[in-house]
Amino acid sequence: KQEVTQIPAALSVPEGENLVLNCSFTDSAIYNLQWFRQDPGKGLTSLLLIQSSQREQTSGRLNASLDKSSGRSTLYIAASQPGDSATYLCAGANNAGNMLTFGGGTRLMVKP
Amino acid sequence: GAVVSQHPSWVICKSGTSVKIECRSLDFQATTMFWYRQFPKQSLMLMATSNEGSKATYEQGVEKDKFLINHASLTLSTLTVTSAHPEDSSFYICSGVGGSTTNEKLFFGSGTQLSVL
Repeated sequence: KQEVTQIPAALSVPEGENLVLNCSFTDSAIYNLQWFRQDPGKGLTSLLLIQSSQREQTSGRLNASLDKSSGRSTLYIAASQPGDSATYLCAGANNAGNMLTFGGGTRLMVKP
Repeated sequence: GAVVSQHPSWVICKSGTSVKIECRSLDFQATTMFWYRQFPKQSLMLMATSNEGSKATYEQGVEKDKFLINHASLTLSTLTVTSAHPEDSSFYICSGVGGSTTNEKLFFGSGTQLSVL
């Protein structure tokens, strides 16, 4: 059974800083891994999806990497902004059925 | 892009009443719909998986008679919380699978905050 862990659980940084969020998973037979953003009381917004055959994906100031052998994924946020403040969730799918196992999330606060 | 419309956004109900949450896939057909719930400061937990036209598959610990899921069409799935109690207060969110067979993606509803008094 896949288990997904995110570290740190909470992070506070000053505006402009580059930061890395970590996600680890136990089953290397992962089909894909996604990073989501969740604002308080709101639904999820998909940020990046990395297929098992890929090493990384980039979208704007975001870059996500996937290392299946070590069971790790990172989300890199460049030049952080207060608007980036949210909870970031990673989730792994172990088959094409898309059923996801979520990590506990990292609550990010970017201070102006 | 594909959208999943989830209603209501929030609902407050009395203990013992039933609440229905709807998820509609707009401009795509969701053959599969996942239902999650999230307690405060916890991550999302999968409750059940529903496929159009068949019975939902529930995760361990989720009562199928309490959380009724209907997925009668490719664009609509509903979750009914029957005889709701305060411990059912949570954030419920659905996601539908759409896209081509080679590029399936998950699209999430905006969630429903349920408060049971």
